[in-house]
Amino acid sequence: NAGVTQTPKFHILKTGQSMTLQCAQDMNHGYLSWYRQDPGMGLRRIHYSVAAGITDKGEVPDGYNVSRSNTEDFPLRLESAAPSQTSVYFCASSYSGSPVYEQYFGPGTRLTVT
Amino acid sequence: EDKVVQSPLSLVVHEGDTVTLNCSYEVTNFRSLLWYKQEKKAPTFLFMLTSSGIEKKSGRLSSILDKKELFSILNITATQTGDSAVYLCAAPPGNMLTFGGGTRLMVKP
Repeated sequence: NAGVTQTPKFHILKTGQSMTLQCAQDMNHGYLSWYRQDPGMGLRRIHYSVAAGITDKGEVPDGYNVSRSNTEDFPLRLESAAPSQTSVYFCASSYSGSPVYEQYFGPGTRLTVT
Repeated sequence: EDKVVQSPLSLVVHEGDTVTLNCSYEVTNFRSLLWYKQEKKAPTFLFMLTSSGIEKKSGRLSSILDKKELFSILNITATQTGDSAVYLCAAPPGNMLTFGGGTRLMVKP
Protein backbone atom coordinates (compact mmCIF):
# COMPACT_ATOMS: atom_id res chain seq x y z
CA ASN A 1 0.00 0.00 0.00
CA ALA A 2 1.21 3.49 -0.83
CA GLY A 3 -0.80 4.93 2.08
CA VAL A 4 -1.74 8.58 1.64
CA THR A 5 -0.20 10.32 -1.36
CA GLN A 6 -0.24 14.01 -2.17
CA THR A 7 0.73 15.93 -5.25
CA PRO A 8 2.44 18.23 -5.92
CA LYS A 9 5.11 18.41 -3.20
CA PHE A 10 5.82 22.07 -3.86
CA HIS A 11 4.05 24.76 -5.84
CA ILE A 12 4.19 28.49 -6.34
CA LEU A 13 1.04 30.35 -7.35
CA LYS A 14 0.35 33.94 -8.15
CA THR A 15 -2.45 35.77 -6.38
CA GLY A 16 -5.76 35.09 -8.11
CA GLN A 17 -4.66 31.87 -9.78
CA SER A 18 -6.43 28.60 -9.10
CA MET A 19 -5.10 25.14 -8.46
CA THR A 20 -6.05 21.76 -7.09
CA LEU A 21 -4.05 19.85 -4.52
CA GLN A 22 -4.44 16.12 -4.97
CA CYS A 23 -4.88 13.57 -2.20
CA ALA A 24 -5.33 9.83 -2.65
CA GLN A 25 -5.37 6.89 -0.24
CA ASP A 26 -5.37 3.18 -0.94
CA MET A 27 -6.20 1.87 2.53
CA ASN A 28 -9.98 1.88 2.02
CA HIS A 29 -10.30 4.56 4.67
CA GLY A 30 -13.61 6.35 4.77
CA TYR A 31 -12.49 9.40 6.66
CA LEU A 32 -10.36 12.03 4.89
CA SER A 33 -9.34 15.49 6.02
CA TRP A 34 -7.37 18.42 4.73
CA TYR A 35 -5.26 20.45 7.15
CA ARG A 36 -3.07 23.45 6.80
CA GLN A 37 -0.07 24.01 9.02
CA ASP A 38 1.31 27.45 9.74
CA PRO A 39 4.11 28.36 12.15
CA GLY A 40 2.87 28.42 15.75
CA MET A 41 -0.67 27.50 14.71
CA GLY A 42 -0.44 23.74 14.73
CA LEU A 43 -2.63 21.87 12.28
CA ARG A 44 -6.00 23.36 11.43
CA ARG A 45 -8.64 21.42 9.61
CA ILE A 46 -9.94 22.94 6.37
CA HIS A 47 -12.51 20.41 5.16
CA TYR A 48 -13.23 16.78 5.83
CA SER A 49 -15.24 13.90 4.46
CA VAL A 50 -16.64 10.89 6.27
CA ALA A 51 -17.51 8.99 3.10
CA ALA A 52 -17.78 9.37 -0.66
CA GLY A 53 -20.33 12.02 -1.52
CA ILE A 54 -20.23 13.65 1.94
CA THR A 55 -18.06 16.65 2.79
CA ASP A 56 -18.13 19.17 5.60
CA LYS A 57 -16.33 22.31 6.71
CA GLY A 58 -13.57 22.35 9.27
CA GLU A 59 -12.14 25.26 11.24
CA VAL A 60 -10.77 27.29 8.31
CA PRO A 61 -12.78 26.49 5.15
CA ASP A 62 -12.93 29.92 3.51
CA GLY A 63 -11.23 30.07 0.12
CA TYR A 64 -11.17 26.28 -0.32
CA ASN A 65 -13.47 23.75 -1.94
CA VAL A 66 -13.44 19.96 -1.81
CA SER A 67 -15.23 17.09 -3.46
CA ARG A 68 -15.37 13.36 -2.76
CA SER A 69 -16.60 11.39 -5.73
CA ASN A 70 -15.03 8.09 -4.61
CA THR A 71 -13.38 6.52 -1.57
CA GLU A 72 -9.82 7.04 -2.74
CA ASP A 73 -9.55 10.69 -3.81
CA PHE A 74 -10.11 13.95 -1.97
CA PRO A 75 -8.91 16.95 -3.98
CA LEU A 76 -8.65 20.43 -2.44
CA ARG A 77 -9.29 23.34 -4.76
CA LEU A 78 -8.20 26.94 -4.36
CA GLU A 79 -10.32 28.98 -6.74
CA SER A 80 -8.55 32.32 -6.37
CA ALA A 81 -5.37 32.01 -4.36
CA ALA A 82 -4.38 34.66 -1.81
CA PRO A 83 -1.03 35.18 -0.03
CA SER A 84 -2.75 34.15 3.24
CA GLN A 85 -3.07 30.67 1.77
CA THR A 86 0.70 30.23 1.76
CA SER A 87 1.07 27.18 3.98
CA VAL A 88 1.91 23.51 4.15
CA TYR A 89 -1.11 21.38 3.38
CA PHE A 90 -1.61 17.87 4.70
CA CYS A 91 -4.18 15.31 3.76
CA ALA A 92 -4.96 12.68 6.38
CA SER A 93 -7.08 9.56 6.42
CA SER A 94 -8.46 7.24 9.05
CA TYR A 95 -11.01 4.53 9.51
CA SER A 96 -14.54 5.80 9.64
CA GLY A 97 -16.64 5.62 12.70
CA SER A 98 -16.36 6.71 16.25
CA PRO A 99 -14.11 7.04 18.19
CA VAL A 100 -11.65 8.63 15.80
CA TYR A 101 -8.61 6.46 15.51
CA GLU A 102 -5.19 7.62 14.48
CA GLN A 103 -4.87 9.70 11.36
CA TYR A 104 -2.45 8.71 8.60
CA PHE A 105 -0.89 11.79 7.06
CA GLY A 106 0.32 12.34 3.55
CA PRO A 107 3.77 13.89 2.96
CA GLY A 108 2.37 17.40 2.54
CA THR A 109 2.28 20.06 -0.16
CA ARG A 110 4.19 23.27 0.42
CA LEU A 111 2.29 26.05 -1.32
CA THR A 112 3.52 29.59 -1.76
CA VAL A 113 1.21 32.31 -3.07
CA THR A 114 3.02 35.42 -4.27
CA GLU B 1 -14.83 26.59 21.81
CA ASP B 2 -12.74 23.43 21.69
CA LYS B 3 -9.07 23.97 22.35
CA VAL B 4 -5.88 22.04 22.88
CA VAL B 5 -2.90 23.82 24.40
CA GLN B 6 0.63 22.49 24.49
CA SER B 7 3.55 23.61 26.59
CA PRO B 8 6.30 24.49 26.43
CA LEU B 9 6.36 25.94 22.92
CA SER B 10 9.95 24.88 22.51
CA LEU B 11 12.59 23.08 24.47
CA VAL B 12 16.34 22.59 24.07
CA VAL B 13 18.01 19.75 25.96
CA HIS B 14 21.16 17.67 25.76
CA GLU B 15 21.37 14.02 24.86
CA GLY B 16 20.54 11.83 27.81
CA ASP B 17 18.17 14.30 29.42
CA THR B 18 14.56 13.41 30.23
CA VAL B 19 11.83 15.70 28.98
CA THR B 20 8.15 16.08 29.74
CA LEU B 21 5.79 17.65 27.25
CA ASN B 22 2.37 18.86 28.32
CA CYS B 23 -0.98 18.92 26.61
CA SER B 24 -4.17 20.30 28.13
CA TYR B 25 -7.51 20.15 26.42
CA GLU B 26 -11.05 21.37 26.57
CA VAL B 27 -13.17 19.60 23.99
CA THR B 28 -16.77 18.56 23.84
CA ASN B 29 -17.53 14.85 23.52
CA PHE B 30 -13.99 13.90 24.42
CA ARG B 31 -13.12 10.39 23.30
CA SER B 32 -9.36 10.13 23.04
CA LEU B 33 -6.13 12.05 22.96
CA LEU B 34 -3.53 11.44 20.29
CA TRP B 35 0.19 12.22 20.23
CA TYR B 36 2.14 12.70 17.01
CA LYS B 37 5.77 13.30 16.17
CA GLN B 38 6.55 15.57 13.24
CA GLU B 39 10.07 15.71 11.88
CA LYS B 40 10.53 17.28 8.51
CA LYS B 41 7.37 16.15 6.84
CA ALA B 42 4.08 14.59 7.88
CA PRO B 43 3.16 13.87 11.50
CA THR B 44 3.51 10.25 12.49
CA PHE B 45 1.27 8.67 15.07
CA LEU B 46 2.73 7.85 18.49
CA PHE B 47 -0.03 7.11 20.97
CA MET B 48 -3.74 7.12 21.47
CA LEU B 49 -4.99 7.48 25.03
CA THR B 50 -8.55 6.88 26.07
CA SER B 51 -8.42 5.99 29.75
CA SER B 52 -7.07 7.90 32.70
CA GLY B 53 -4.06 6.61 34.56
CA ILE B 54 -3.01 3.95 32.08
CA GLU B 55 0.46 4.63 30.80
CA LYS B 56 1.25 3.84 27.22
CA LYS B 57 4.88 3.03 26.40
CA SER B 58 6.93 2.70 23.29
CA GLY B 59 10.63 2.36 23.96
CA ARG B 60 11.86 5.54 25.64
CA LEU B 61 8.54 7.32 25.09
CA SER B 62 5.60 7.07 27.41
CA SER B 63 2.37 8.96 27.84
CA ILE B 64 -0.44 9.18 30.31
CA LEU B 65 -3.84 10.84 30.40
CA ASP B 66 -5.67 12.51 33.26
CA LYS B 67 -9.32 12.90 32.28
CA LYS B 68 -10.23 14.59 35.54
CA GLU B 69 -7.67 17.38 35.16
CA LEU B 70 -7.94 17.34 31.34
CA PHE B 71 -4.31 16.93 30.44
CA SER B 72 -1.80 14.49 29.11
CA ILE B 73 1.97 14.30 29.31
CA LEU B 74 4.49 12.77 26.98
CA ASN B 75 7.77 11.69 28.56
CA ILE B 76 10.95 10.98 26.68
CA THR B 77 13.79 9.46 28.68
CA ALA B 78 17.46 9.32 27.68
CA THR B 79 16.83 11.68 24.78
CA GLN B 80 18.73 11.28 21.53
CA THR B 81 19.33 13.73 18.68
CA GLY B 82 16.82 11.71 16.64
CA ASP B 83 14.11 12.79 19.07
CA SER B 84 14.40 16.34 17.75
CA ALA B 85 11.01 17.13 16.26
CA VAL B 86 7.74 18.91 16.82
CA TYR B 87 5.42 16.94 19.06
CA LEU B 88 1.72 17.46 18.51
CA CYS B 89 -1.22 16.40 20.57
CA ALA B 90 -4.76 16.28 19.28
CA ALA B 91 -8.17 15.59 20.74
CA PRO B 92 -11.17 14.68 18.66
CA PRO B 93 -14.40 16.26 19.82
CA GLY B 94 -16.80 14.05 17.93
CA ASN B 95 -15.77 13.91 14.29
CA MET B 96 -13.38 16.84 14.46
CA LEU B 97 -9.70 16.64 15.36
CA THR B 98 -8.34 19.68 17.18
CA PHE B 99 -4.56 19.97 17.32
CA GLY B 100 -2.43 21.87 19.76
CA GLY B 101 0.23 24.24 18.48
CA GLY B 102 2.99 21.74 19.12
CA THR B 103 6.17 21.64 21.18
CA ARG B 104 9.42 21.96 19.26
CA LEU B 105 12.07 19.78 20.89
CA MET B 106 15.72 20.13 20.01
CA VAL B 107 18.17 17.61 21.44
CA LYS B 108 21.80 18.70 21.27
CA PRO B 109 24.65 16.20 21.20
